[in-house]
Amino acid sequence: AQSVTQLDSHVSVSEGTPVLLRCNYSSSYSPSLFWYVQHPNKGLQLLLKYTSAATLVKGINGFEAEFKKSETSFHLTKPSAHMSDAAEYFCVVRSSNTGKLIFGQGTTLQVKP
Amino acid sequence: KAGVTQTPRYLIKTRGQQVTLSCSPISGHRSVSWYQQTPGQGLQFLFEYFSETQRNKGNFPGRFSGRQFSNSRSEMNVSTLELGDSALYLCASSEVLASTEAFFGQGTRLTVV
Repeated sequence: AQSVTQLDSHVSVSEGTPVLLRCNYSSSYSPSLFWYVQHPNKGLQLLLKYTSAATLVKGINGFEAEFKKSETSFHLTKPSAHMSDAAEYFCVVRSSNTGKLIFGQGTTLQVKP
Repeated sequence: KAGVTQTPRYLIKTRGQQVTLSCSPISGHRSVSWYQQTPGQGLQFLFEYFSETQRNKGNFPGRFSGRQFSNSRSEMNVSTLELGDSALYLCASSEVLASTEAFFGQGTRLTVV
């Protein structure tokens, strides 16, 4: 069965410093992986996706993620945090059997001024 | 293009009642998925519809049901509401089944009292 584990439930950074949100996946097949962001009282917005093309994936708002098969990781990074980045972030894998999206538990990113 | 529209945005129901939630996907999208989001369980897949047929189903009791119409709009019904059904219900639309990209609505916040 496929799954994702987000290693931190809460990450706090200062504005202008780098962001690292960690995600490990479990999959027997080449996975389709995603990062979604959810701002308070909003739906989910796709940040970026990996679907077996380039291992370094660039997304919106300056975010990127690197697929590392040897480490089964798909960590999300951003060089410089902005106050507007404060939100909940979800690492997601798509089930190869059913096609459904399987979500991690989420990481709350706090950005301090 | 208009985004995914979910109605109503907020709903308060009493235990034992039933509720119907609506989702209008992006124009041209034929797949609609439903997810339940709670603080304890996170985001969990309910079901996915494509071309008016349920294609995938999550591990929820039979009280949770859905349907999709010929214009791809979908409804989700929960009967005999329980307090634990209080959640944010999110709908996602995709062009095709098991697409690599899903677009989410803002959700319907259901409170059962």
